[in-house]
Amino acid sequence: AQSVTQLGSHVSVSEGALVLLRCNYSSSVPPYLFWYVQYPNQGLQLLLKYTTGATLVKGINGFEAEFKKSETSFHLTKPSAHMSDAAEYFCASSGPDKLIFGTGTRLQVFP
Amino acid sequence: DAGVIQSPRHEVTEMGQEVTLRCKPISGHDYLFWYRQTMMRGLELLIYFNNNVPIDDSGMPEDRFSAKMPNASFSTLKIQPSEPRDSAVYFCASSLWTGGTDTQYFGPGTRLTVL
Repeated sequence: AQSVTQLGSHVSVSEGALVLLRCNYSSSVPPYLFWYVQYPNQGLQLLLKYTTGATLVKGINGFEAEFKKSETSFHLTKPSAHMSDAAEYFCASSGPDKLIFGTGTRLQVFP
Repeated sequence: DAGVIQSPRHEVTEMGQEVTLRCKPISGHDYLFWYRQTMMRGLELLIYFNNNVPIDDSGMPEDRFSAKMPNASFSTLKIQPSEPRDSAVYFCASSLWTGGTDTQYFGPGTRLTVL
């Protein structure tokens, strides 16, 4: 069965530091891959999406992710964290007629 | 477009009462999803519809939960009778043509508290 694994339920970084959130997927064929962000008391919103083609995908708010088929990974990065990046981040994979979500990673940013 | 609209935003009720959550998807979207989010279980897919028809309700926890989509612009999730363990944030989401490859757009959620 398809699955998405997010390593680390909590990640803490200092403001200005690199953000790295890890995501691995399992699928028999290269899936579409998504990163969603959920700010406190809000719904999920799309950060970025990989379909086909270029493996480095740029999203909103300075985030980007790289699709690595050999590693079945789709890690999310941002060069310099901002306080406003504090949120929960969900990785998702395209499934049969629905998305397969990971369990989420809560990002804390310290001043 | 106004995005996915959910009502109410907050609901507090007593155990045993009926609760109805409402959702208006983005106009033109063929798919509608209901999710539940709790600290313990994370984000769970409850049920989804394609062109108003329920496709997969395997995530509905028990018979106390039911969902309908009478037309393309409206869906309800009903819990009868409600129990304290149903306390959660319930999200509705919609997507344009497919359930798995199109972006899902989420509503702001309904925070349900069952006392």
